[in-house]
Amino acid sequence: KNEVEQSPQNLTAQEGEFITINCSYSVGISALHWLQQHPGGGIVSLFMLSSGKKKHGRLIATINIQEKHSSLHITASHPRDSAVYICAAHNNDMRFGAGTRLTVKP
Amino acid sequence: DTGVSQNPRHKITKRGQNVTFRCDPISEHNRLYWYRQTLGQGPEFLTYFQNEAQLEKSRLLSDRFSAERPKGSFSTLEIQRTEQGDSAMYLCASSRNRGYTFGSGTRLTVV
Repeated sequence: KNEVEQSPQNLTAQEGEFITINCSYSVGISALHWLQQHPGGGIVSLFMLSSGKKKHGRLIATINIQEKHSSLHITASHPRDSAVYICAAHNNDMRFGAGTRLTVKP
Repeated sequence: DTGVSQNPRHKITKRGQNVTFRCDPISEHNRLYWYRQTLGQGPEFLTYFQNEAQLEKSRLLSDRFSAERPKGSFSTLEIQRTEQGDSAMYLCASSRNRGYTFGSGTRLTVV
């Protein structure tokens, strides 16, 4: 079993839909990161969470430390949100999930 | 200093050749990480430095791989006697405390 599990692996949505990506981890963490990776490979850090909830624009990230679970939500999804979203558990180093490939169709 | 810089962006090499990649982190970041990412997978940890000290190495890092950070600033990752299985994106990231910044990666293709 991987230390960081994401679901779903692939997700296709229509523009405007509400999207949820889930992440479960089995390791101890100091923080949980949500990352966005576009086809060229560049990775952008979206959120770093150690508790509760954070919101940035249409993106919301939540974490439940007791359940070792985090979710990334995208409201009013748009085709430009199409990317791979990666969850990463951070202690001394980062352990990554395999990523969720999101495609938002117009 | 606008971010983490990696060079080259792309490298095509013949099997058996040696390659070296460079990572320039954000200047005030004391930690530097190397990751490898193959197609369709999340990144895998290779090694990390705190200042010039290499603190952890993954068992993925065979004896053909070596990383250095001689002055606690830039880092190099060298792969000797490359194999086709080494073809991947090599990502560098730097951090101070828990803030993380990734470079754009070096895509290695071994032919």
